[in-house]
Amino acid sequence: DGGITQSPKYLFRKEGQNVTLSCEQNLNHDAMYWYRQDPGQGLRLIYYSQIVNDFQKGDIAEGYSVSREKKESFPLTVTSAQKNPTAFYLCASSSQGALPQHFGDGTRLSIL
Amino acid sequence: EDKVVQSPLSLVVHEGDTVTLNCSYEVTNFRSLLWYKQEKKAPTFLFMLTSSGIEKKSGRLSSILDKKELFSILNITATQTGDSAIYLCAVANAGGTSYGKLTFGQGTILTVHP
Repeated sequence: DGGITQSPKYLFRKEGQNVTLSCEQNLNHDAMYWYRQDPGQGLRLIYYSQIVNDFQKGDIAEGYSVSREKKESFPLTVTSAQKNPTAFYLCASSSQGALPQHFGDGTRLSIL
Repeated sequence: EDKVVQSPLSLVVHEGDTVTLNCSYEVTNFRSLLWYKQEKKAPTFLFMLTSSGIEKKSGRLSSILDKKELFSILNITATQTGDSAIYLCAVANAGGTSYGKLTFGQGTILTVHP
C-alpha cells in the first residue's frame, strides 16, 4: 500500500542526546515536510524539502537538522540544542508544490 | 508572516447538534485554504478551498471561503460521536520558495457526547 511511514511511534530522549526520527514514503512525492504539534498550538513547520539534496528551514528549525539524500526518505534529528523536545512530530509529503499534503501517523517524543 | 486563527479552541456538543467552526487568516500570497480532521494520529484531508463563495460538501460536512473577509467556516450537521476530533485549518502560500508551504491554526477540539 502507498503511504508515509514514521518510526518509531514512541521515542524517549535522555539529556544531551541526539535522536533521529524516520520518515519514509512510497508515494513518489517530491516534497516532504516535518511538523511539530504541541497541545493547543496546532502544527508548526520545522523543515521542508522540495527536491532531493535540498531543504529549507521552516518556522521553528532551531535545535533540529534534516537530510534528503533519497527521494523517499527525510529523517529528522532532534539535537541536544533543542531544550524542549517533548512533542508529537508529524511528517508529510506531496507532489512538488501540490496540495493537499498527506501525513504519517507521527512519532511522540518524550524526555527521560 | 502568515497567520491562521481558529475559533472556538474547544467545543462540546451532543449528538444531533450542528456546529460551525471558524478560521480567519492573513497570508502574503494566498493560494488555498485547507481543512483537516485529526483523531488520534495523522491528520486526514477534508476540503481544499481556492475560490470565494463556492461551498464544498461531503456528507454532513461542508465548508465555504470568503476571500474578501479572509475567513472560512466548516459546518457539521447532525453530529455523531465519530466526529469527535481536532479540526485543523491551514493556508497555503503561493509565493516563491514558500510554494506549497502550509501555515496551520491552533485547531478546534470538538467533543460530541452521545
